[in-house]
Amino acid sequence: DIQMTQSPSTLSASVGDRVTITCRASQNINSWLAWHQQKPGKAPKLLIYKASSLESGVPSRFSGSGSGTEFTLTISSLQPDDFATYYCQQYNGYLLSFGGGTKVEV
Amino acid sequence: QVQLVESGGGVVQPGGSLRLSCAASGFAFSAYDMYWVRQAPGKGLEWVAVVSYDGRSKYYSESVRGRSTISRDNSRSTLYLQMVSLRDADTAVYYCARRNYLDWWGQGTLVTVSS
Repeated sequence: DIQMTQSPSTLSASVGDRVTITCRASQNINSWLAWHQQKPGKAPKLLIYKASSLESGVPSRFSGSGSGTEFTLTISSLQPDDFATYYCQQYNGYLLSFGGGTKVEV
Repeated sequence: QVQLVESGGGVVQPGGSLRLSCAASGFAFSAYDMYWVRQAPGKGLEWVAVVSYDGRSKYYSESVRGRSTISRDNSRSTLYLQMVSLRDADTAVYYCARRNYLDWWGQGTLVTVSS
């Protein structure tokens, strides 16, 4: 099974900050990586797929990069609506796995 | 508009069983692999099971393998998850989601295993 390691687990930031979250896979997953945002009591929402492709309707301040085993999600200028928990997810095959999550808080 | 609506959650005793449903609309259901993902209270996301678009291929996480059956009815655009021998650790919100990068999620249904 592919293990996904996310860091940090918690991130304190302010509106306007540039925020970077890292995700590492235990083996090569090429670019088969997605990022999801989840707010309390809500279902997750897809932000990025195939490591760097922005899902339709997602603001351009979100971007993803990386391939192989190292990936990053960047929020260029944090907005009030962005305080949430973020998860990376690999899909190199049918069996999926998630990172442990990064909570972005004030 | 794509919609996924889960149902069937509730309170069940340890050792009991439950069948979850996910009604899909707004897209060609029979063309997509479908997934179940769960989230225990205060915890992260955990993949549970997948069924291929035609129902022929099915895979399960180690935590539910042997106790769960994923299935689909393409004529009804509905996904199912049958769970038996439920344990406390199965307490979670269960989400259905579309395709391998989970581009659409349902709102989730809460399963509570408790005596």
